[in-house]
Amino acid sequence: DQQVKQNSPSLSVQEGRISILNCDYTNSMFDYFLWYKKYPAEGPTFLISISSIKDKNEDGRFTVFLNKSAKHLSLHIVPSQPGDSAVYFCAASGVHSGNTPLVFGKGTRLSVIA
Amino acid sequence: DSGVTQTPKHLITATGQRVTLRCSPRSGDLSVYWYQQSLDQGLQFLIHYYNGEERAKGNILERFSAQQFPDLHSELNLSSLELGDSALYFCASSGAVGNTEAFFGQGTRLTVV
Repeated sequence: DQQVKQNSPSLSVQEGRISILNCDYTNSMFDYFLWYKKYPAEGPTFLISISSIKDKNEDGRFTVFLNKSAKHLSLHIVPSQPGDSAVYFCAASGVHSGNTPLVFGKGTRLSVIA
Repeated sequence: DSGVTQTPKHLITATGQRVTLRCSPRSGDLSVYWYQQSLDQGLQFLIHYYNGEERAKGNILERFSAQQFPDLHSELNLSSLELGDSALYFCASSGAVGNTEAFFGQGTRLTVV
């Protein structure tokens, strides 16, 4: 049973436009959410995170939105650049409920077309 | 560079064999996590160690075991290998018991033939 779901395996976006990557979770105990980016032949790299006490966190071109009632989060990249082409993983953790390890989705492959 | 070092980068071995994957966490990090990524799958959590003690187990097979040594490096031992064990194995470390921003190594690609 997947607790973190990324229902879009892939996404193509034109350079300069907005990329929106979505993630759904089922476990109500999750209270910390992260996005990781992964290039081929490299390990995942931490991108941005959000605590459940917030509904938005912004870092440069990257913004994560959290909708707790819908158990949904999204990552917005504006403007998208060719170097953003990678696999993006959503992850969740229950930091305040037993220090659960990160649970990952299967990832979304983003292709930014020049 | 995440500061997490995994060796070897690639490993090819035969079915039935045993291998050891090694991970050196970032300086000062006490938590080490092991994840497996198979084809078309997300990162599956295997096991978590904190300061030498096992803290959590995920979908880790009985043929697999791990440990964290006093110098905080960790080893993942995979035995009686099967073709289906072929995967990328990642190690991650973080400074806290609560797994917040974990930093990943480059992974070990294991191929069982």
